[in-house]
Amino acid sequence: QVQLQESGPGLVKPSETLSLTCTVSGGSVSSGTYYWTWIRQPPGKGLEWIGYMYHSGSTNYNPSLKSRVTISVDTSKNQFSLKLWSLTAADTAIYYCARDGAFGPGAFDIWGQGTMVTVSS
Amino acid sequence: SSELTQDPAVSVALGQTVRITCQGDSLRSYYASWYQQKPGQAPVLVIYAKNNRPSGIPDRFSGSSSGNTASLTISGAQAEDEADYYCHSRDNSGNYWVFGGGTKLTVL
Repeated sequence: QVQLQESGPGLVKPSETLSLTCTVSGGSVSSGTYYWTWIRQPPGKGLEWIGYMYHSGSTNYNPSLKSRVTISVDTSKNQFSLKLWSLTAADTAIYYCARDGAFGPGAFDIWGQGTMVTVSS
Repeated sequence: SSELTQDPAVSVALGQTVRITCQGDSLRSYYASWYQQKPGQAPVLVIYAKNNRPSGIPDRFSGSSSGNTASLTISGAQAEDEADYYCHSRDNSGNYWVFGGGTKLTVL
């Protein structure tokens, strides 16, 4: 059974760059027709879709974040990653990685447990 | 504000039926998926492509859609169904994904 696990720093300073990694176990990041996705949730608030990388290598990002986000896949490590730069306090959130595509696009069937990221000096 | 609108809170008596709705123009063209999130946990997919349940999701959960409104119905709500519920679909351009603001379900 496929499992996802996020990793990265819990605290990042304003204006710096956040780098998070999602490790895929029980399956291959390069198999199937999946959209490897990042989603975030500010404390006490709702979910926000950040973007995905499709198995073909194409990407799609939330327009509100598009200018400062990159998602990539490392098949050698069976991981996919998120980079978000020019951070502000508004980027403080739980960041989830998720898989989309098992039931067609638009259904995130597997999620990581989430990692809390605080942006503060 | 989200392009998908949900009531912030809904309550239901134990064993009764409750409907959670999600409104948005994009729902006239695209299906919604629904997620259940309990405190301190990651969301769980409960309904996809309007009315399909992943393995392991009880059949008391069902989905439907009419016009610009998608609905999640829980028939015979249980105490363990108390959670936040989020709808998810395309935005109005059809190019990106968006979530509704979430509905907090209380089981009385």
